[in-house]
Amino acid sequence: EAAVTQSPRSKVAVTGGKVTLSCHQTNNHDYMYWYRQDTGHGLRLIHYSYVADSTEKGDIPDGYKASRPSQENFSLILELASLSQTAVYFCASSVGTAGEQYFGPGTRLTVL
Amino acid sequence: GDSVTQTEGLVTLTEGLPVMLNCTYQTIYSNPFLFWYVQHLNESPRLLLKSFTDNKRTEHQGFHATLHKSSSSFHLQKSSAQLSDSALYYCALGNNRIFFGDGTQLVVKP
Repeated sequence: EAAVTQSPRSKVAVTGGKVTLSCHQTNNHDYMYWYRQDTGHGLRLIHYSYVADSTEKGDIPDGYKASRPSQENFSLILELASLSQTAVYFCASSVGTAGEQYFGPGTRLTVL
Repeated sequence: GDSVTQTEGLVTLTEGLPVMLNCTYQTIYSNPFLFWYVQHLNESPRLLLKSFTDNKRTEHQGFHATLHKSSSSFHLQKSSAQLSDSALYYCALGNNRIFFGDGTQLVVKP
């Protein structure tokens, strides 16, 4: 069974603070993704990566950085958290872009 | 650029009635992969259906969809809605990267 884990599962951050969300997959997948989901809205792609040490911008990259130090790990960094970044963040992995995406359980981020 | 359009933001229907959720896409690639993902309340999205073959019906868990490249469509259908089908449904396109539609919230009432 493909597995994607995220940590923390929930976090409260202060405006202007730094937040790091972590994602780990044991699927041996090449692609990893970070999405945000706002209440009642759809998934929006922030960053993705298809190989270690390289990341690509998605549709809403502003205010976010990503890091892929190894095939298994993919982090999302908010250098200066803002109120508008309050959302649920999902990590996912897949084999190529044609493969099924396996999603993690999500991280609920609240910025105060 | 590439994109996915789901025209209905919310679909409400009565249990037992047929379901059809619309999905159309735009891409410059001739062999795209199309997906339907489902997300139940307080859960993560998971794959429901996937296809890359033109005019071939794909089925899973009572749902089916057919990729029609001529009309760039991949509509999701089910013959009889169940209460447990209430969820958020995403259509997605895979080529050089993944593109998700905005999602359709399906609410099935008794």
